[in-house]
This record gives sequence, structure tokens and C-alpha cells, in this order.
Amino acid sequence: DAGITQSPRYKITETGRQVTLMCHQTWSHSYMFWYRQDLGHGLRLIYYSAAADITDKGEVPDGYVVSRSKTENFPLTLESATRSQTSVYFCASSPPIGVLYNEQFFGPGTRLTVL
Amino acid sequence: NEVEQSPQNLTAQEGEFITINCSYSVGISALHWLQQHPGGGIVSLFMLSSGKKKHGRLIATINIQEKHSSLHITASHPRDSAVYICAVKVRGADGLTFGKGTHLIIQP
Repeated sequence: DAGITQSPRYKITETGRQVTLMCHQTWSHSYMFWYRQDLGHGLRLIYYSAAADITDKGEVPDGYVVSRSKTENFPLTLESATRSQTSVYFCASSPPIGVLYNEQFFGPGTRLTVL
Repeated sequence: NEVEQSPQNLTAQEGEFITINCSYSVGISALHWLQQHPGGGIVSLFMLSSGKKKHGRLIATINIQEKHSSLHITASHPRDSAVYICAVKVRGADGLTFGKGTHLIIQP
């Protein structure tokens, strides 16, 4: 399917476990982003990537690890999940500099609960 | 906060003209209006760097000098009920910075 997908859509895990959230896009967009959405905070940037093998921290990166070995995939790993990481996670992608630069396209979200 | 939205919550009757405001305090290269339905998905409505854009019953305006944007909905309908989020692309940054959203309910 064309577009941007996330898996799983829902995940329940326990404190201390490692969890990986997947994000896949079919547009060959250069930029990919991970955001988390929490009540009272809105959406906040965790990590982003400008291209394969290039990643950088956002506003709230602590406790998260990302990688981008292929342009189309941008997994987010919680190395040792904590209750404060219970949230809804959105992946987004954006074309390279050009006509649609700045436009972001969002995945459907992953609802993560850490018990 | 770099991006402030008002009001936080808005309940209106079907057919009313709706205005949601967004103010920001940083230099930006673009401003986005996003819509998030109860199911959770986020859809981009507009991306603005100047002036005004219209799509159907939705109108978005931006005043760069005043660092302010408005989203208007004409002839509102219950299906417009959603959270509307203002986000800015800060000049020199790569991600978006978001407001906390306006929760809109349109009653029949």
C-alpha cells in the first residue's frame, strides 16, 4: 500500500522491556520524524532523520534510539520502557527541499501502554 | 510555549462560523494547520508561509508581521468536530513545533 504505515497500532508492554515501533513509507521521502502525543503537551519531536544513516535528536530523545539503514524505514526503539513513555507515537515523513518542502505526512499512530 | 492556540475548547451549533487562533513567538518558514479526528489520525489541512488559503469551507490566514494565524470554518457541520492543531516549522529546524490543539465540537 502506498503511503506511510506504522506497526503495531497498539502495544502493551511492561516496565523494563525493549519495544520497537516500526514506520514505513513508500514515497522515498528524505525526511522522517517520530513524535509523541501526550495530554497537556501536544505533539513533541523525539528524533528525526534527514536521510538514510543520518539521524538527530529532537525535543524529547531520552530513553529512545532510532536507526535508518534504508530510506523507507525508520524504527523507534525504547531500550528499557518506563511508564512515562506511555503515549501515542506518530511517525511522519517529508519530501526533500523543493516544492513540497515543509509538508509532513503522518502515519496512523501507535498507542503504547507501559505497565 | 512557542506556539499558543485559542480557544482550547470550543462548542458551537451547526451552521456557525468558527475561528481558531494561533500565535507563535519564533521565526518560521511555514505554518501548518492539522486536523485530528477522534480515531486519532492526523491530516494536514493547510501549509502556509504567507497570505490566505481556502479549501472548501475551510480558510486559513497568516500574518507574518504579527506572528498570527487563524483557521476559519464556514457553515460548520457536526463532521467538523475534531481537534485542530497549529504547528510551525521553525526557521533552521527540521521538525515541527506544535500548539496544544483546539478541541472543536459542533452540535446538530
